[in-house]
Amino acid sequence: DQQVKQNSPSLSVQEGRISILNCDYTNSMFDYFLWYKKYPAEGPTFLISISSIKDKNEDGRFTVFLNKSAKHLSLHIVPSQPGDSAVYFCAASDRDNYGQNFVFGPGTRLSVLP
Amino acid sequence: DAGVTQSPTHLIKTRGQQVTLRCSPKSGHDTVSWYQQALGQGPQFIFQYYEEEERQRGNFPDRFSGHQFPNYSSELNVNALLLGDSALYLCASSLGPDRTSSTDTQYFGPGTRLTVL
Repeated sequence: DQQVKQNSPSLSVQEGRISILNCDYTNSMFDYFLWYKKYPAEGPTFLISISSIKDKNEDGRFTVFLNKSAKHLSLHIVPSQPGDSAVYFCAASDRDNYGQNFVFGPGTRLSVLP
Repeated sequence: DAGVTQSPTHLIKTRGQQVTLRCSPKSGHDTVSWYQQALGQGPQFIFQYYEEEERQRGNFPDRFSGHQFPNYSSELNVNALLLGDSALYLCASSLGPDRTSSTDTQYFGPGTRLTVL
């Protein structure tokens, strides 16, 4: 049973437009969420995080929104650039498990078209 | 600044064999976590090492074991390999084993691609 779901395996967006990647979770104990980006032949790279005490966190072109009641978070990339083409993983950890062992979703492959 | 390094890059083994994967954490980091990423899936937590001890463990059988050395580097050992163990094995390092003590998030290495025939 997947605790972290990313229901869109892939997404294509035109350069300069907004990319919206979605993530849903089922474990109400999750209180910390992260997005990682992964290029081929490289390990995942940390992008942005959000604590459950917030509903929005912004870092440059990247914004993460958290809707706790819906158990849903999304990553917005504006404007999208070809270099953003990668696999994006949503990850979560719970308040009873303070370790850095996050639960990852299956990933969404983003393609930004020039 | 040296990032997380893993060796080897690729490995091919046959069923029943044993394998050892190695990881050197990012400079200044003292905690190492191991993940298994099967094709088309996200990384799945195996275990975490801090102060040379296994601190937390995911839902993996005892065939998966590890070790952390005084210099914070780590090994992942898998015994009695199965075809289903074929995956990308990722090592991640951090400063401190938990969110309350860590001043940094996890940094991942490029992974070791294990193929079991």
